[in-house]
Amino acid sequence: DIVMTQSPLSLPVTPGEPASMSCRSSQSLLHRNANNYLDWYLQRPGQSPQLLIYLGSNRASGVPDRFSGSGSGTDFTLKISRVEAEDVGVYFCMQALQTPYTFGQGTKLEIK
Amino acid sequence: EVQLVQSGPEVKKPGESLKISCKGSGYSFSDYWTGWVRQMPGKGLEWMGIILPRDADTRYSPSFRGQVTMSADESISTAYLQWSSLGASDTAMYYCARLRGVISRDFYDGMDVWGQGTTVTVSS
Repeated sequence: DIVMTQSPLSLPVTPGEPASMSCRSSQSLLHRNANNYLDWYLQRPGQSPQLLIYLGSNRASGVPDRFSGSGSGTDFTLKISRVEAEDVGVYFCMQALQTPYTFGQGTKLEIK
Repeated sequence: EVQLVQSGPEVKKPGESLKISCKGSGYSFSDYWTGWVRQMPGKGLEWMGIILPRDADTRYSPSFRGQVTMSADESISTAYLQWSSLGASDTAMYYCARLRGVISRDFYDGMDVWGQGTTVTVSS
């Protein structure tokens, strides 16, 4: 199985400030079709996870443009340009290159 | 509106069987894979497996193969997750989600719609 490792595990951020978190995979997520099979999900407290980013850098429908995903191969980053209170929750990356798909352990974003 | 609606909370005893459901609406249920994700209390997300209702093609995570059974009834747009004998370690929240592009990779666009979750509690 592909192992996903996220950092940091906890991320305190002041509202209005940027935030960045990392996700690394144990093997490259780059497919021969040139897509990186890496998603980002946000789970707000008490809610179901929601898709933020798919294929490394594509924002899902309805996701604010303050969220951006980047990276290729084994190293990926999720950035929030200006954190808002509603961004609080746990961010998970997930590889979808091969089954079983696997999640990282999550980065918990909290407001300072 | 595209949505997945899951069955209600369950409280079971060790050794009992259980089948929970996930009903899709607002899209062609048979043409999307339905995935299942476990979240144990206070823990992260675990990918359990996926099923394509159209032909019952199923891909299990090795961690869950033999522990659960996934099935689907495309006539009623419903996917199922079942246990033949529950244990205390099955206590968790279980989410379903839809996805596509598992085989035709160019169509992949994430697990874009999620159910509200089903809480399963196993206790004597």
